[in-house]
Amino acid sequence: GEDVEQSLFLSVREGDSSVINCTYTDSSSTYLYWYKQEPGAGLQLLTYIFSNMDMKQDQRLTVLLNKKDKHLSLRIADTQTGDSAIYFCAESFTRDDKIIFGKGTRLHILP
Amino acid sequence: GAVVSQHPSRVICKSGTSVKIECRSLDFQATTMFWYRQFPKQSLMLMATSNEGSKATYEQGVEKDKFLINHASLTLSTLTVTSAHPEDSSFYICSARSRGSTDTQYFGPGTRLTVL
Repeated sequence: GEDVEQSLFLSVREGDSSVINCTYTDSSSTYLYWYKQEPGAGLQLLTYIFSNMDMKQDQRLTVLLNKKDKHLSLRIADTQTGDSAIYFCAESFTRDDKIIFGKGTRLHILP
Repeated sequence: GAVVSQHPSRVICKSGTSVKIECRSLDFQATTMFWYRQFPKQSLMLMATSNEGSKATYEQGVEKDKFLINHASLTLSTLTVTSAHPEDSSFYICSARSRGSTDTQYFGPGTRLTVL
């Protein structure tokens, strides 16, 4: 079945690294995504990774994929107050296929 | 990046009335639009996929007669919640995918519906 699990909350001190973890069950998923949702706003695609990759880096963001364990993580380096948001892990079989979302991890930044 | 707008951003209505939510792609043509529903502290649940000029495809468990979707043009899709009840209160989010592309979905800011 299709299921994406992630913890609901994470607190990190400003300047530290944030690591948000996600597990998924559908081994046929080809695309794995991280979306950011700020209060009262829609979802913004942060990054995505193909299932044949194990890492993708984009500025402060690093995505790690362990396909064997079906584990995906998002690392945000030098976390800033503007990173405070809900981060959704998501998967799809193809880019055209429907996207299955996790429940989201609320990232709280401590001063 | 591409911009998707929703109107209204918030709506409060009485039980039994119908509410229409608009989703517009502002700077691109969207052949496909998606409607999601988000409960507090819950994931986004896909309700239906609409392709311009054809009937929407609803996900299992979503009542097509209650959630009417129209995608009459390449830049506009509407979701009408008919005979709304308090349990329909939720955050409704649309997304759009650009024409001729398997590009990512661009999400609207969402509409908060409260049914009294």
